[in-house]
Amino acid sequence: DAKTTQPPSMDCAEGRAANLPCNHSTISGNEYVYWYRQIHSQGPQYIIHGLKNNETNEMASLIITEDRKSSTLILPHATLRDTAVYYCIDFYNQGGKLIFGQGTELSVKP
Amino acid sequence: GAVVSQHPSWVICKSGTSVKIECRSLDFQATTMFWYRQFPKQSLMLMATSNEGSKATYEQGVEKDKFLINHASLTLSTLTVTSAHPEDSSFYICSAISEAWSSYEQYFGPGTRLTVT
Repeated sequence: DAKTTQPPSMDCAEGRAANLPCNHSTISGNEYVYWYRQIHSQGPQYIIHGLKNNETNEMASLIITEDRKSSTLILPHATLRDTAVYYCIDFYNQGGKLIFGQGTELSVKP
Repeated sequence: GAVVSQHPSWVICKSGTSVKIECRSLDFQATTMFWYRQFPKQSLMLMATSNEGSKATYEQGVEKDKFLINHASLTLSTLTVTSAHPEDSSFYICSAISEAWSSYEQYFGPGTRLTVT
């Protein structure tokens, strides 16, 4: 079973920042925080991952709290194409398995 | 990023027949591939882990005799749904990783939609 909890849905205005929260109440020390998204009827797409430090790439920023019990994925300027289901996953990247929870359905509105 | 393809993208078959779905890593050698199933409005459910040259490891509750997985080469894994029934209709997605990567990223295929009539 998935170990993370996320709000089932969120709305965001186009051009604004989308901040997607995730709770990692049982994350262990060797597990990374991974974020994927799935656009309707497509395979999941990797977004970003981190262990302790905040991370940024061309797609998004990832903020991880000091106790690692929560994280926030930030899409700085959401577009309509960012409408998707976003999944956060606790993942041990040395032989672990990606187990998907229910995710957050983000709707970006014009 | 790395590219994973699936074939076919959609398939319709009659109840009782078998259907094979291919998953290919196009620009890397995939030492491990995973197969997921997704029903409408639900999340992805991991079915099995496939390592090149060895038997697949199935998740609890997944019938290994019904969902045959073969990972005969470093770029190809196949999932065969045997004696398909309407309840097997679903979206099947594969993913792949490479041990050559220093940063672990799992890449997903576009999915195959199976409809059993």
